[in-house]
Amino acid sequence: DAKTTQPPSMDCAEGRAANLPCNHSTISGNEYVYWYRQIHSQGPQYIIHGLKNNETNEMASLIITEDRKSSTLILPHATLRDTAVYYCIVRGGSGYSTLTFGKGTMLLVSP
Amino acid sequence: GAVVSQHPSRVICKSGTSVKIECRSLDFQATTMFWYRQFPKQSLMLMATSNEGSKATYEQGVEKDKFLINHASLTLSTLTVTSAHPEDSSFYICSARIGSGNTDTQYFGPGTRLTVL
Repeated sequence: DAKTTQPPSMDCAEGRAANLPCNHSTISGNEYVYWYRQIHSQGPQYIIHGLKNNETNEMASLIITEDRKSSTLILPHATLRDTAVYYCIVRGGSGYSTLTFGKGTMLLVSP
Repeated sequence: GAVVSQHPSRVICKSGTSVKIECRSLDFQATTMFWYRQFPKQSLMLMATSNEGSKATYEQGVEKDKFLINHASLTLSTLTVTSAHPEDSSFYICSARIGSGNTDTQYFGPGTRLTVL
């Protein structure tokens, strides 16, 4: 699975949009981009995933660049409860590959 | 989303004893579950892949005789830490897979905090 690069931390004001970037320049054609988040002392929570088209659900939007070498997770109206570590993971390929967690981005949402 | 539960949420045990952690998929069946371990201020590390009805697949460096995994049904996988020692103290998290192929999704349990005295 391709490696991802994320900033170690980001700040966001409550009510504003949080845009979390992820670089995955070595992604291959059949690999998907997954986003999870982990609130302190809890298990990771699935957010969204995509291949090449932009995706949106009730939690967030995922914007993938046309060359697929980077993506951005957007939380449209961040709340204090969105404070967490956000993991961008590339996986897929053949069969059932596993999730490999990096260090992620610590998003701190402040009042 | 799909719900995965773990029991217990936290456990404290004496060194040398064994501890069993249960992972259940509550509203779906999971032929594959995963066990992770997370030490303080570190990321999740995959320990093993648990397949219903067959032996688990362990990651390199994880002792299969120390971390016993049983996946006897499509909704339950158990992890038993045998002869636990203080260095086994960690946050253990399971996940269950839904879907197939490249678009399957893993849903995680809330985790179990193990403290070995």
